[in-house]
Amino acid sequence: SQQGEEDPQALSIQEGENATMNCSYKTSINNLQWYRQNSGRGLVHLILIRSNEREKHSGRLRVTLDTSKKSSSLLITASRAADTASYFCAYLGSARQLTFGSGTQLTVLP
Amino acid sequence: GAGVSQTPSNKVTEKGKYVELRCDPISGHTALYWYRQSLGQGPEFLIYFQGTGAADDSGLPNDRFFAVRPEGSVSTLKIQRTERGDSAVYLCASRSGTGELFFGEGSRLTVL
Repeated sequence: SQQGEEDPQALSIQEGENATMNCSYKTSINNLQWYRQNSGRGLVHLILIRSNEREKHSGRLRVTLDTSKKSSSLLITASRAADTASYFCAYLGSARQLTFGSGTQLTVLP
Repeated sequence: GAGVSQTPSNKVTEKGKYVELRCDPISGHTALYWYRQSLGQGPEFLIYFQGTGAADDSGLPNDRFFAVRPEGSVSTLKIQRTERGDSAVYLCASRSGTGELFFGEGSRLTVL
């Protein structure tokens, strides 16, 4: 079963705007990861943040982690139409299985 | 190969039939995962292998589902007596040493 919750479920923005997606989880974690999935394709790893880190950057991506609130956010800056996809958070807990959230469907309008 | 390979990419079968889905992970990755994804949902964990053994099979929905990885590389997910509710995309991933999962393109199973 999925234990991660993401919001919003869907997000539609104009090209050039920033997109923010949030993820909440329920257990202690080792790390939290974000993945992207284009329609009908497999998932692609974007970024990993460890439990002792608070913020991480990769290109136009910025991830934050607040372990006290059991939440993370993914910010995509200066969005492009090609960023249109579903985005999933996934966290690694003590069980060593990676548990995925329900995803945010991002649509970037040109 | 360079990435995770899954076959078949599409499988249509009739209710009650037996199905095998194959995953060829990235060479050298010792951890291998199977997930199931329904339309509009996130991947749902099924089973995780560390080497040849199933380290966690708590996600397998019932005893019709079974997976093997006899030589610690290729894995096969086996579904007996398929039901319409088994229809989904079955995703395989292998894990790097730094913890990221690399996914295949999935096997889309349709049970009629």
